[in-house]
Amino acid sequence: GQQLNQSPQSMFIQEGEDVSMNCTSSSIFNTWLWYKQDPGEGPVLLIALYKAGELTSNGRLTAQFGITRKDSFLNISASIPSDVGIYFCAGRSGAGSYQLTFGKGTKLSVIP
Amino acid sequence: GAGVSQSPRYKVAKRGQDVALRCDPISGHVSLFWYQQALGQGPEFLTYFQNEAQLDKSGLPSDRFFAERPEGSVSTLKIQRTQQEDSAVYLCASSLAGDFPLTQYFGPGTRLLVL
Repeated sequence: GQQLNQSPQSMFIQEGEDVSMNCTSSSIFNTWLWYKQDPGEGPVLLIALYKAGELTSNGRLTAQFGITRKDSFLNISASIPSDVGIYFCAGRSGAGSYQLTFGKGTKLSVIP
Repeated sequence: GAGVSQSPRYKVAKRGQDVALRCDPISGHVSLFWYQQALGQGPEFLTYFQNEAQLDKSGLPSDRFFAERPEGSVSTLKIQRTQQEDSAVYLCASSLAGDFPLTQYFGPGTRLLVL
Protein backbone atom coordinates (compact mmCIF):
# COMPACT_ATOMS: atom_id res chain seq x y z
CA GLY A 1 0.00 0.00 0.00
CA GLN A 2 0.94 3.64 -0.31
CA GLN A 3 3.16 5.11 2.35
CA LEU A 4 4.47 8.59 2.82
CA ASN A 5 8.17 9.38 2.41
CA GLN A 6 9.50 10.19 5.85
CA SER A 7 13.05 11.27 6.64
CA PRO A 8 15.40 10.72 8.23
CA GLN A 9 14.84 7.04 8.97
CA SER A 10 16.76 7.34 12.20
CA MET A 11 18.72 9.90 14.15
CA PHE A 12 20.97 10.03 17.17
CA ILE A 13 21.14 13.33 19.01
CA GLN A 14 22.53 14.71 22.23
CA GLU A 15 20.12 15.63 24.98
CA GLY A 16 19.21 19.28 24.66
CA GLU A 17 19.56 19.43 20.90
CA ASP A 18 16.74 20.33 18.54
CA VAL A 19 15.36 17.76 16.12
CA SER A 20 13.70 18.13 12.75
CA MET A 21 12.00 15.48 10.62
CA ASN A 22 9.78 15.72 7.58
CA CYS A 23 7.30 13.88 5.47
CA THR A 24 6.49 14.20 1.77
CA SER A 25 3.86 12.79 -0.52
CA SER A 26 3.14 12.71 -4.22
CA SER A 27 -0.52 13.24 -3.36
CA ILE A 28 -2.32 16.12 -1.69
CA PHE A 29 -3.52 15.63 1.87
CA ASN A 30 -6.10 17.72 3.69
CA THR A 31 -4.99 16.70 7.15
CA TRP A 32 -1.54 15.94 8.46
CA LEU A 33 -0.97 14.17 11.77
CA TRP A 34 2.12 13.34 13.78
CA TYR A 35 2.22 10.32 16.10
CA LYS A 36 4.78 8.87 18.50
CA GLN A 37 5.03 5.14 19.13
CA ASP A 38 6.88 3.63 22.06
CA PRO A 39 8.01 -0.02 22.00
CA GLY A 40 5.13 -2.40 22.56
CA GLU A 41 2.52 0.32 22.36
CA GLY A 42 0.20 1.81 19.79
CA PRO A 43 0.79 5.23 18.22
CA VAL A 44 -0.18 8.27 20.27
CA LEU A 45 -1.30 11.47 18.56
CA LEU A 46 1.01 14.46 19.09
CA ILE A 47 -0.20 17.15 16.71
CA ALA A 48 -2.94 17.51 14.08
CA LEU A 49 -2.83 20.03 11.22
CA TYR A 50 -5.84 21.02 9.09
CA LYS A 51 -4.86 23.93 6.86
CA ALA A 52 -2.07 24.49 4.35
CA GLY A 53 0.56 26.71 5.92
CA GLU A 54 -0.68 26.04 9.45
CA LEU A 55 1.96 26.04 12.17
CA THR A 56 0.95 24.35 15.44
CA SER A 57 2.81 23.82 18.69
CA ASN A 58 2.35 21.37 21.52
CA GLY A 59 4.89 22.09 24.24
CA ARG A 60 8.34 21.52 22.78
CA LEU A 61 6.85 20.16 19.56
CA THR A 62 6.08 22.29 16.52
CA ALA A 63 4.63 21.02 13.27
CA GLN A 64 3.78 22.69 9.98
CA PHE A 65 1.40 21.79 7.17
CA GLY A 66 3.19 22.53 3.89
CA ILE A 67 1.73 25.10 1.53
CA THR A 68 1.59 22.60 -1.33
CA ARG A 69 -0.33 20.19 0.98
CA LYS A 70 2.18 17.54 -0.01
CA ASP A 71 4.51 17.83 2.94
CA SER A 72 4.79 18.43 6.66
CA PHE A 73 7.56 18.72 9.19
CA LEU A 74 7.93 18.19 12.92
CA ASN A 75 10.44 19.95 15.16
CA ILE A 76 11.29 18.97 18.71
CA SER A 77 13.20 21.55 20.71
CA ALA A 78 15.55 20.89 23.62
CA SER A 79 15.24 17.09 23.39
CA ILE A 80 15.06 15.00 26.55
CA PRO A 81 15.57 11.24 27.05
CA SER A 82 11.84 10.51 27.07
CA ASP A 83 11.59 11.80 23.50
CA VAL A 84 13.08 8.47 22.41
CA GLY A 85 10.72 6.53 20.18
CA ILE A 86 9.46 6.27 16.63
CA TYR A 87 7.69 9.27 15.14
CA PHE A 88 5.19 8.74 12.34
CA CYS A 89 3.55 11.21 10.04
CA ALA A 90 0.10 10.38 8.69
CA GLY A 91 -2.13 12.02 6.15
CA ARG A 92 -5.81 12.01 5.33
CA SER A 93 -6.66 12.76 1.75
CA GLY A 94 -10.14 14.24 1.86
CA ALA A 95 -13.13 15.24 3.90
CA GLY A 96 -14.93 12.04 3.04
CA SER A 97 -11.95 9.85 3.73
CA TYR A 98 -11.29 8.28 7.09
CA GLN A 99 -8.26 6.27 6.05
CA LEU A 100 -4.90 7.37 7.38
CA THR A 101 -1.77 6.86 5.27
CA PHE A 102 1.35 6.57 7.41
CA GLY A 103 5.04 7.19 6.79
CA LYS A 104 7.64 4.56 7.65
CA GLY A 105 8.70 6.42 10.76
CA THR A 106 11.73 8.23 12.14
CA LYS A 107 13.47 6.44 14.99
CA LEU A 108 14.84 8.95 17.48
CA SER A 109 17.57 8.13 19.96
CA VAL A 110 18.64 10.68 22.56
CA ILE A 111 22.07 10.41 24.12
CA PRO A 112 22.06 11.73 27.71
CA GLY B 1 -10.74 5.81 31.87
CA ALA B 2 -10.05 2.64 29.92
CA GLY B 3 -8.42 2.95 26.54
CA VAL B 4 -8.57 0.60 23.60
CA SER B 5 -7.61 -2.90 24.63
CA GLN B 6 -6.54 -5.78 22.44
CA SER B 7 -6.09 -9.46 23.09
CA PRO B 8 -4.07 -11.49 22.96
CA ARG B 9 -1.03 -9.23 23.11
CA TYR B 10 1.10 -11.95 21.52
CA LYS B 11 0.14 -14.84 19.31
CA VAL B 12 2.32 -17.51 17.78
CA ALA B 13 0.65 -19.62 15.11
CA LYS B 14 1.79 -22.43 12.90
CA ARG B 15 1.38 -21.79 9.22
CA GLY B 16 -2.07 -22.83 8.15
CA GLN B 17 -3.73 -22.20 11.50
CA ASP B 18 -6.65 -19.83 11.92
CA VAL B 19 -6.31 -16.96 14.42
CA ALA B 20 -8.76 -14.51 15.95
CA LEU B 21 -7.70 -11.14 17.31
CA ARG B 22 -9.96 -9.15 19.57
CA CYS B 23 -10.39 -5.41 20.00
CA ASP B 24 -12.33 -3.68 22.76
CA PRO B 25 -12.77 -0.04 21.75
CA ILE B 26 -13.32 2.87 24.07
CA SER B 27 -16.90 2.75 25.31
CA GLY B 28 -19.23 4.80 23.13
CA HIS B 29 -16.84 5.09 20.22
CA VAL B 30 -18.72 4.74 16.97
CA SER B 31 -15.82 4.12 14.63
CA LEU B 32 -13.35 1.27 14.73
CA PHE B 33 -10.32 0.74 12.54
CA TRP B 34 -7.89 -2.13 12.02
CA TYR B 35 -4.31 -1.56 10.84
CA GLN B 36 -1.46 -3.91 10.03
CA GLN B 37 2.07 -2.83 10.98
CA ALA B 38 4.94 -4.84 9.55
CA LEU B 39 8.34 -4.69 11.23
CA GLY B 40 10.02 -1.36 10.57
CA GLN B 41 7.01 0.07 8.76
CA GLY B 42 4.17 2.40 9.55
CA PRO B 43 0.64 1.11 10.12
CA GLU B 44 -1.38 0.26 7.02
CA PHE B 45 -5.16 0.53 6.92
CA LEU B 46 -7.10 -2.73 6.76
CA THR B 47 -10.75 -2.03 7.45
CA TYR B 48 -13.22 0.41 9.02
CA PHE B 49 -16.48 -0.03 10.92
CA GLN B 50 -19.08 2.53 11.81
CA ASN B 51 -21.09 0.88 14.55
CA GLU B 52 -21.73 -2.66 13.24
CA ALA B 53 -21.45 -1.74 9.58
CA GLN B 54 -18.21 -2.51 7.81
CA LEU B 55 -17.98 0.49 5.52
CA ASP B 56 -14.57 -0.14 4.03
CA LYS B 57 -12.57 -3.34 3.77
CA SER B 58 -10.40 -2.27 0.89
CA GLY B 59 -7.19 -2.72 2.86
CA LEU B 60 -7.69 -6.38 3.69
CA PRO B 61 -4.82 -8.15 1.87
CA SER B 62 -6.71 -11.29 0.89
CA ASP B 63 -9.95 -13.17 1.38
CA ARG B 64 -8.25 -15.00 4.24
CA PHE B 65 -8.78 -11.87 6.32
CA PHE B 66 -12.20 -11.25 7.81
CA ALA B 67 -13.38 -8.71 10.36
CA GLU B 68 -16.63 -8.33 12.21
CA ARG B 69 -18.25 -6.11 14.79
CA PRO B 70 -21.69 -7.69 15.24
CA GLU B 71 -23.00 -5.52 18.07
CA GLY B 72 -21.18 -2.33 17.22
CA SER B 73 -18.73 -2.62 20.08
CA VAL B 74 -16.12 -5.40 20.28
CA SER B 75 -14.50 -6.34 17.00
CA THR B 76 -12.69 -9.47 15.90
CA LEU B 77 -10.16 -9.76 13.11
CA LYS B 78 -9.87 -13.31 11.87
CA ILE B 79 -7.11 -14.63 9.67
CA GLN B 80 -7.65 -18.01 8.11
CA ARG B 81 -4.89 -20.39 7.00
CA THR B 82 -2.17 -18.05 8.27
CA GLN B 83 0.95 -17.52 6.16
CA GLN B 84 4.38 -16.29 7.22
CA GLU B 85 3.78 -12.96 5.51
CA ASP B 86 0.89 -12.37 7.92
CA SER B 87 3.41 -11.89 10.74
CA ALA B 88 2.95 -8.30 11.92
CA VAL B 89 1.48 -6.17 14.65
CA TYR B 90 -2.27 -5.74 14.26
CA LEU B 91 -3.45 -2.42 15.67
CA CYS B 92 -7.00 -1.48 16.49
CA ALA B 93 -8.11 2.14 16.85
CA SER B 94 -11.42 3.72 17.77
CA SER B 95 -12.85 7.18 17.50
CA LEU B 96 -15.96 8.98 18.58
CA ALA B 97 -16.85 10.03 15.05
CA GLY B 98 -15.74 8.64 11.72
CA ASP B 99 -15.06 11.97 10.11
CA PHE B 100 -12.25 12.92 12.42
CA PRO B 101 -9.31 10.54 12.36
CA LEU B 102 -7.45 13.00 14.51
CA THR B 103 -9.28 11.43 17.40
CA GLN B 104 -8.30 7.86 16.60
CA TYR B 105 -7.07 6.20 19.79
CA PHE B 106 -4.88 3.18 19.21
CA GLY B 107 -4.65 0.03 21.26
CA PRO B 108 -1.31 -1.62 22.11
CA GLY B 109 -1.61 -4.11 19.26
CA THR B 110 -1.45 -7.87 18.90
CA ARG B 111 1.91 -9.20 17.77
CA LEU B 112 1.33 -12.16 15.47
CA LEU B 113 4.18 -14.46 14.55
CA VAL B 114 3.47 -17.19 12.01
CA LEU B 115 6.02 -19.98 11.96
